[in-house]
Amino acid sequence: QVQLQESGPGLVKPSETLSLTCTVSGDSISGYYWNWIRQPAGKGLEWIGRIYTSGYNNYNPSLKSRVTMSVDTSKNQFSLKLNSVSAADTAVYFCAKGTYYERLDWFDPWGQGILVTVSS
Amino acid sequence: DIQMTQSPSSLSASVGDRVTITCRASQSISSYLNWYQQKPGRAPKLLIYLASSLHSGVPSRFSGSGSGTDFTLTISSLQSEDFATYYCQQTSNTPWTFGQGTKVEV
Repeated sequence: QVQLQESGPGLVKPSETLSLTCTVSGDSISGYYWNWIRQPAGKGLEWIGRIYTSGYNNYNPSLKSRVTMSVDTSKNQFSLKLNSVSAADTAVYFCAKGTYYERLDWFDPWGQGILVTVSS
Repeated sequence: DIQMTQSPSSLSASVGDRVTITCRASQSISSYLNWYQQKPGRAPKLLIYLASSLHSGVPSRFSGSGSGTDFTLTISSLQSEDFATYYCQQTSNTPWTFGQGTKVEV
């Protein structure tokens, strides 16, 4: 079965760049959308964006100016970069597998999540 | 952005109860509506996709209905393992958006 695992620094300084990687095991990364979602402590879920294995992407307009996603099919990984971070970006970050459809989309499975704290 | 509003925000229930959670979209989303369950410290899990399709491995006590702007998640007979927070999500228009969550507690 497909499994996802997030990795990256748990602490990032304000104004710097948050960088996370999601490693996919159990299946090829090709042919699907791959998503990033975040959840501040005690709050709800916010979709950050998604990337298809061709590189086509959709970003949440609320974060679009600061977000870059990429995919490495040779490593079965996809990545998130969020620049100019502030305390408001402190959250648990999840990666999740989408479908291969434009709108017929749902997230399954999810990675376990990684807590990223923005603090000096 | 399409706003998703869940009600109630929390509810108290007992094992064996029938539980209903509603989700309303700010505009029509056809059937592009998913439901997730999240337990504390864990990632969300997909329960229902396309408004009423039960995800593989999810118990049949979970069901979803609705289309357009109004949707419902029903747990026919609440089990102890169902105490969790439930989220709806629309995938009709990007950005995909989630409801604020409904916490089901004792």
